Amino acid sequence: AQSVTQPDIHITVSEGASLELRCNYSYGATPYLFWYVQSPGQGLQLLLKYFSGDTLVQGIKGFEAEFKRSQSSFNLRKPSVHWSDAAEYFCAVDPNAGKSTFGDGTTLTVKP
Amino acid sequence: DGGITQSPKYLFRKEGQNVTLSCEQNLNHDAMYWYRQDPGQGLRLIYYSQIVNDFQKGDIAEGYSVSREKKESFPLTVTSAQKNPTAFYLCASKMTRPGGYNSPLHFGNGTRLTVT
Repeated sequence: AQSVTQPDIHITVSEGASLELRCNYSYGATPYLFWYVQSPGQGLQLLLKYFSGDTLVQGIKGFEAEFKRSQSSFNLRKPSVHWSDAAEYFCAVDPNAGKSTFGDGTTLTVKP
Repeated sequence: DGGITQSPKYLFRKEGQNVTLSCEQNLNHDAMYWYRQDPGQGLRLIYYSQIVNDFQKGDIAEGYSVSREKKESFPLTVTSAQKNPTAFYLCASKMTRPGGYNSPLHFGNGTRLTVT
């Protein structure tokens, strides 16, 4: 069965600083990979997705993620964080069976 | 605009009562899902349905039931058998045709259920 690990429960960065959120997955083949963002009391919104091809994918709100097969990772990055980026971020894997598995999430706090 | 509507946003019930959470979508998606979210535990799959009149148990189905009589609707009933029902419940859907299951999930804004 597939699994997703987000090693960092909570990350704090200063506004304007760069950000990297880590995601490691376990799956026999190359899965479909997603990053979602959740504001408090809301549903999840898709940031970006990877299916195949270019391993660096661009998403909304200036986010990007890089798929590294050798490391089974799909880390999310942003060069300059804005206060509105404070939220919880979830990495998910879908092995094309319709059932996504989510990591436990990383809460991002942005300091002024 | 198309989307997923969950109602109500907040729900309070007494222990021992069954309660039904509503989920409606107008995205014309075939597949629908119910997730439970607890602090620090991410999202756990309760039930999912890939087509009308069919559904499958997810990882934590005990104490829950669903129906899928219409493509647009996928209500979740939290029964009195669910030992710890207080949680945030999220409904989601995804397009499964023509590209298969590699499309992302679309989420509603959730229902926060409190059972006392």
